[in-house]
Amino acid sequence: GNSVTQMEGPVTLSEEAFLTINCTYTATGYPSLFWYVQYPGEGLQLLLKATKADDKGSNKGFEATYRKETTSFHLEKGSVQVSDSAVYFCAPLAGTASKLTFGTGTRLQVTL
Amino acid sequence: NAGVTQTPKFRVLKTGQSMTLLCAQDMNHEYMYWYRQDPGMGLRLIHYSVGEGTTAKGEVPDGYNVSRLKKQNFLLGLESAAPSQTSVYFCASRLLAEGSYNEQFFGPGTRLTVL
Repeated sequence: GNSVTQMEGPVTLSEEAFLTINCTYTATGYPSLFWYVQYPGEGLQLLLKATKADDKGSNKGFEATYRKETTSFHLEKGSVQVSDSAVYFCAPLAGTASKLTFGTGTRLQVTL
Repeated sequence: NAGVTQTPKFRVLKTGQSMTLLCAQDMNHEYMYWYRQDPGMGLRLIHYSVGEGTTAKGEVPDGYNVSRLKKQNFLLGLESAAPSQTSVYFCASRLLAEGSYNEQFFGPGTRLTVL
């Protein structure tokens, strides 16, 4: 089955710092790749996605590029804000019933 | 359009008690999923359904049962709750469409504590 490895958190950054959250995966074939975000006390929301190799997903200043050769989908943002504090999940989607496999999540804390 | 809703939001059970968590979606989605979220373990799939009247086991199905009698509802049951089932439970739904890239929409979660 699929599996995901995310960098352990928490990641603590000052506002306007550059963010990278690493994600690598193992999967059969070429899955679609997703980043979900979970704000405190809420459910998960889709942040961005990429459906094939070299695709770049982007949303709210966040970006991630589907790297087939390294099976990676690292999340980046050039300048984080306090409002970006949340838990971020990397998830490949594949197989019957389009099931997602979630990483353990990376908690991001942004301070002033 | 309420999206995905979950009932109840919080619940405390004693070991051995039973309960049912309700998930409802108003987006006419075919696929529905139940996950549990535990610290340091991400989300793990319990059961899922690809349509009304169908259910299937996910990664961690033991101790849970599900039913999908109506397309918009997906029920998760605990027949005899155990402390190991203390967790936050999330429901999600997804549209059946061409391609594998359509997102899952998540509910706000149910926090369950089993004493």
